[in-house]
Amino acid sequence: EPEVTQTPSHQVTQMGQEVILRCVPISNHLYFYWYRQILGQKVEFLVSFYNNEISEKSEIFDDQFSVERPDGSNFTLKIRSTKLEDSAMYFCASRDYNEQFFGPGTRLTVL
Amino acid sequence: AQTVTQSQPEMSVQEAETVTLSCTYDTSESDYYLFWYKQPPSRQMILVIRQEAYKQQNATENRFSVNFQKAAKSFSLKISDSQLGDAAMYFCAYRRDYGSSNTGKLIFGQGTTLQVKP
Repeated sequence: EPEVTQTPSHQVTQMGQEVILRCVPISNHLYFYWYRQILGQKVEFLVSFYNNEISEKSEIFDDQFSVERPDGSNFTLKIRSTKLEDSAMYFCASRDYNEQFFGPGTRLTVL
Repeated sequence: AQTVTQSQPEMSVQEAETVTLSCTYDTSESDYYLFWYKQPPSRQMILVIRQEAYKQQNATENRFSVNFQKAAKSFSLKISDSQLGDAAMYFCAYRRDYGSSNTGKLIFGQGTTLQVKP
């Protein structure tokens, strides 16, 4: 069964460093998403992506964040200069018409 | 703006018993979808059940069923014959129906941690 994959599973970085989180969506899906979950809190929408451009972004998704689909298969989330409060679980999702399928998540720890 | 509220931070149930998790939501839309996701300790998000707002019949998936009350904007999840593997955090989620301006993003509640006692 096709699935969304994410790498790495855990990323530790120093405050102020850039990180890139990678996702491989399900191959025939056209819509892609990033969500964030701070430990013990709810899952929050960050950004949606369709047709090689951002279709919607939340207030959390400020200028420090960017997304890209560089090669037609990967979907990346970049955080330019990480802050302590960026520590969270980051989920990628892709969707067919009916539902979104989530990846296993990347745990980002900012020290 | 749409909101989703889960008022039960934690629930517990005895193995083989039935438990109901509550969810309410607020929206001015008439067409939308509601979901329950399970998040076990691995933190993977797993879809449990989906309900289309235009359907009056409550969705059922094996031991999982919902009580969808559209007028009351209530969407509870019933787990029958609870098993140890059901222990997880459960999130209620909402999305608008797809349209030219709707990207299909999910709006989640705060989650309910379910403990299953042997």
